[in-house]
Amino acid sequence: AQSVTQLGSHVSVSEGALVLLRCNYSSSVPPYLFWYVQYPNQGLQLLLKYTSAATLVKGINGFEAEFKKSETSFHLTKPSAHMSDAAEYFCAVTVTSSNTGKLIFGQGTTLQVKP
Amino acid sequence: GAVVSQHPSWVICKSGTSVKIECRSLDFQATTMFWYRQFPKQSLMLMATSNEGSKATYEQGVEKDKFLINHASLTLSTLTVTSAHPEDSSFYICSAATSGTGELFFGEGSRLTVL
Repeated sequence: AQSVTQLGSHVSVSEGALVLLRCNYSSSVPPYLFWYVQYPNQGLQLLLKYTSAATLVKGINGFEAEFKKSETSFHLTKPSAHMSDAAEYFCAVTVTSSNTGKLIFGQGTTLQVKP
Repeated sequence: GAVVSQHPSWVICKSGTSVKIECRSLDFQATTMFWYRQFPKQSLMLMATSNEGSKATYEQGVEKDKFLINHASLTLSTLTVTSAHPEDSSFYICSAATSGTGELFFGEGSRLTVL
């Protein structure tokens, strides 16, 4: 069975500081991994996805994530936080052998950006 | 990117009534749609997979008679919460998979409050 664990339900950084949101996965098949952002009372927006191509994936808004099979990790980073990055972030894994289909989400991490 | 729209965004109903939430793919055809439920400050829990022209597949623990899902066309899936109770109050989010690339797009979510 597939699952994801997000370490840290709440992360606080200063504006301009490095953002690091942690995600570890468990999967019995090669995983397809995703990071989504959710603003209050809104749906989810895809930040980036790993689909077995390059291990370093660049997404929107300056975010990137690196797939590390040896560590079963897919941590999300951004070199310099902006106030507008404050939101809820979800890591997700598919439960099929393709990059579509059902997603299993992590618990979510709330990112707070302080001025 | 493709657009998925949910309606209504907000709904308040009395206990015992039924509420229908629509999920529409506005500019693409979606053979598969997914319904998620999200409690405050929590992650998304997959409720069911909706396939056009066939019965929905429900996740374990989700009452199919309670949460009726219909996917009558390639652009519309509906979730009906029957005989709603206060514990059904939640944020319901749908996602739709494009029939071409299979990429998932999420709706804005529908907040249900049962009094």
